Amino acid sequence: EIVMTQSPATLSVSPGERATLSCRASQRVGSNLAWYQQKPGQAPRLLIYGASTRATGIPARFSGSGSGTEFTLTISSLQSEDFAVYYCQQYNNWWTFGQGTKVEIK
Amino acid sequence: EVQVVESGGGLIQPGGSLRLSCAASGFTVSTNHMSWVRQAPGKGLEWVSVIYSAGSTFYADSVKGRFTISRDNSKNTLYLQMNSLRAEDTAVYFCARGGESHSFDYWGQGTLVTVSS
Repeated sequence: EIVMTQSPATLSVSPGERATLSCRASQRVGSNLAWYQQKPGQAPRLLIYGASTRATGIPARFSGSGSGTEFTLTISSLQSEDFAVYYCQQYNNWWTFGQGTKVEIK
Repeated sequence: EVQVVESGGGLIQPGGSLRLSCAASGFTVSTNHMSWVRQAPGKGLEWVSVIYSAGSTFYADSVKGRFTISRDNSKNTLYLQMNSLRAEDTAVYFCARGGESHSFDYWGQGTLVTVSS
């Protein structure tokens, strides 16, 4: 099983600031990496797939990068609606998720 | 508009059985790969099972031999039959559509399964 490790567990950021979230895979997954946003009581929402392609309707302030084992999600200027938990997911070998990074208001 | 709606969750005793349903609209279940993903209370996401468009099915080791994924093409609905339920199966179960990239592009709102005596 490919283990996905996200850091940090919690990120405290002020509105308008940049947020950088990291995800590491225990094996190479190429670009088969997605990012999801989840708010309390809601389903996850696909943000990024293919490591760097924004899903339909996702604002340009969300960007993804990386390949192989190291990946990054960047939110360029945090809006109030962006405070949530973010998960990375590999789909190179079945599907496994990271444990999540909670982005909270500083 | 693409939509998936889960139902069938509830409180069940250990060892019991439950069948979850996922009704889809705006797309055809049988031409997409469809997965179940679960989330234990306060925890992260765990992939449970997939059914591919060709009909092949696969399961996470944690549920293999106990859960069965299926679909009814005439009803455009996905199912998850859960047998021999354990306390550790307690979770919100989400139905998700596999996108072209094999990430999950549409999710339902989830249905809560609680296994407890």
